Amino acid sequence: GDSVTQMEGPVTLSEEAFLTINCTYTATGYPSLFWYVQYPGEGLQLLLKATKADDKGSNKGFEATYRKETTSFHLEKGSVQVSDSAVYFCALSDPGGSARQLTFGSGTQLTVLP
Amino acid sequence: GAVVSQHPSRVICKSGTSVKIECRSLDFQATTMFWYRQFPKKSLMLMATSNEGSKATYEQGVEKDKFLINHASLTLSTLTVTSAHPEDSSFYICSARDWLAGGPYNEQFFGPGTRLTVL
Repeated sequence: GDSVTQMEGPVTLSEEAFLTINCTYTATGYPSLFWYVQYPGEGLQLLLKATKADDKGSNKGFEATYRKETTSFHLEKGSVQVSDSAVYFCALSDPGGSARQLTFGSGTQLTVLP
Repeated sequence: GAVVSQHPSRVICKSGTSVKIECRSLDFQATTMFWYRQFPKKSLMLMATSNEGSKATYEQGVEKDKFLINHASLTLSTLTVTSAHPEDSSFYICSARDWLAGGPYNEQFFGPGTRLTVL
């Protein structure tokens, strides 16, 4: 079945540091890939997405590129801020199964210190 | 973006009682809502897909008689945990799709979650 493996946290960085959160996936078809963010006390929010190979999703300074050859969708940001502290989830939606459903990774807690 | 609310945000109950959790789409209509369960430091596990006006579709291993789902309107789905036991303690999260947005990949909007503790 489909699965998503992401870097275990917690990750603690200083403000303005470079961020990478690794995410790899296993899927039967050609999935769409997502990064969701969950701020403390709030629901999950879509951060960015990519629907086909070599697509780059970007939002709020975050980027991730859909790499079919390595089945990866790593999240990066060049300079993190304290306000980026949250839990980040990598997820996929596989059109080979049900396009409506999301399969999530385990989440990575990010703490950015001033 | 669209807003999904959940109520209550936190509930503590005694073993053997039933608990109802509400999920509402506040500013859009949702023909499909999803219920997830999240264990500490674990990913979100899809429990069931709730379709307005029809029976929910449960994932393998989820007891439909234990977790009753009702999706009576385009803005409300409820999850009732029946005869709750301590092992049902968890964080329950719902999400909703805006059916007007169209397409198979349209975004799911997530509620803030409900923390259930069964004593």
